[in-house]
Amino acid sequence: QKEVEQDPGPLSVPEGAIVSLNCTYSNSAFQYFMWYRQYSRKGPELLMYTYSSGNKEDGRFTAQVDKSSKYISLFIRDSQPSDSATYLCAMSATIIQGAQKLVFGQGTRLTINP
Amino acid sequence: EAQVTQNPRYLITVTGKKLTVTCSQNMNHEYMSWYRQDPGLGLRQIYYSMNVEVTDKGDVPEGYKVSRKEKRNFPLILESPSPNQTSLYFCASSTHRGANSPLHFGNGTRLTVT
Repeated sequence: QKEVEQDPGPLSVPEGAIVSLNCTYSNSAFQYFMWYRQYSRKGPELLMYTYSSGNKEDGRFTAQVDKSSKYISLFIRDSQPSDSATYLCAMSATIIQGAQKLVFGQGTRLTINP
Repeated sequence: EAQVTQNPRYLITVTGKKLTVTCSQNMNHEYMSWYRQDPGLGLRQIYYSMNVEVTDKGDVPEGYKVSRKEKRNFPLILESPSPNQTSLYFCASSTHRGANSPLHFGNGTRLTVT
């Protein structure tokens, strides 16, 4: 079983729709949760960062973490064609020694249709 | 402009022919890392470096070498490439090794080994 599971999609929705992207994980030590966005032929870029449980909102984007269910979500409101990209969840446990051990999901390819 | 620069963007080579993929960052970041991205497997860490002359293995280090002689550069070396190393490679850097330090990615190198 992978430490982080993410539905690879592809997911296609009409412009203006609310999009929900999700990841589940098995390692209860994860405390840092991130969403990266990757446009075609580009490297991933950090979109949202959340520590521990709860919600975080940034414009049209909301990240939710439910540690009891080991489940994280990214919601996109009023989706735009420019949101078309692959979205990767990533998570990490508290550093004990060495560098951060960041574990990525497979990524979900999202297309917003005008 | 703050960035991570990888070269080349595309590379086609034959089995056994040594190659180097260069990576340079202009943000004075301490931490640098190499990932490979494969369909269905997501991003997997190959090697990382916490500072000059300090490198360590990630999850999939077999068949790769790295060096960190200067803070800004972190080349990835394939001494004897094999077809199973055909992949999309990303270099990344961050200010420090902390899990809350966002990774800045290059735009990738697509390697094909025949």
